[in-house]
Amino acid sequence: GQNIDQPTEMTATEGAIVQINCTYQTSGFNGLFWYQQHAGEAPTFLSYNVLDGLEEKGRFSSFLSRSKGYSYLLLKELQMKDSASYLCAVTDSNYQLIWGAGTKLIIKP
Amino acid sequence: DVKVTQSSRYLVKRTGEKVFLECVQDMDHENMFWYRQDPGLGLRLIYFSYDVKMKEKGDIPEGYSVSREKKERFSLILESASTNQTSMYLCASRKQGWETGELFFGEGSRLTVL
Repeated sequence: GQNIDQPTEMTATEGAIVQINCTYQTSGFNGLFWYQQHAGEAPTFLSYNVLDGLEEKGRFSSFLSRSKGYSYLLLKELQMKDSASYLCAVTDSNYQLIWGAGTKLIIKP
Repeated sequence: DVKVTQSSRYLVKRTGEKVFLECVQDMDHENMFWYRQDPGLGLRLIYFSYDVKMKEKGDIPEGYSVSREKKERFSLILESASTNQTSMYLCASRKQGWETGELFFGEGSRLTVL
């Protein structure tokens, strides 16, 4: 079957760095997405990786290793507003999106 | 500002009632999707539509139907609501041909079935 694993919850301190991991087993691969979802709000797009390596976008970076079936989202200089759930999703060989359950990130002052 | 709008943020219905969830997007997107989101589970696809009048079953279509009469509007219908359909329902849209493009989501409709 197809599976996406990410930690259920993580806690970090304001101003620090946090890495949220995502591992996947899917039938084929056509890219990996990260979305941010604040409580009670719509998920919003953060990043898309289809090739191996690191993509940097301001305080957020996303890394992909296709051979390992692994990605991470790196958040630097954490702010209180980064408290949210982070959703990992993979596009399989049929271009269907497979979603992880999400990682709830709690930022403490 | 591009937008996906879901008609109701919160609904409370009784078992057996018919429920309509409406979704409208203003981005001229061909593809529209209905997901449900439950704690501890990833988003699960109920139905999607590639274009007007077209619909395809997703992973969990049982107990649901959809309607896409106009390009901007995609409705989810629960013919006879049951308590196990208590959930957050998310509508999303995407440009045709952008299968690796981002989805734009509505803010969700939280349905409680008593």
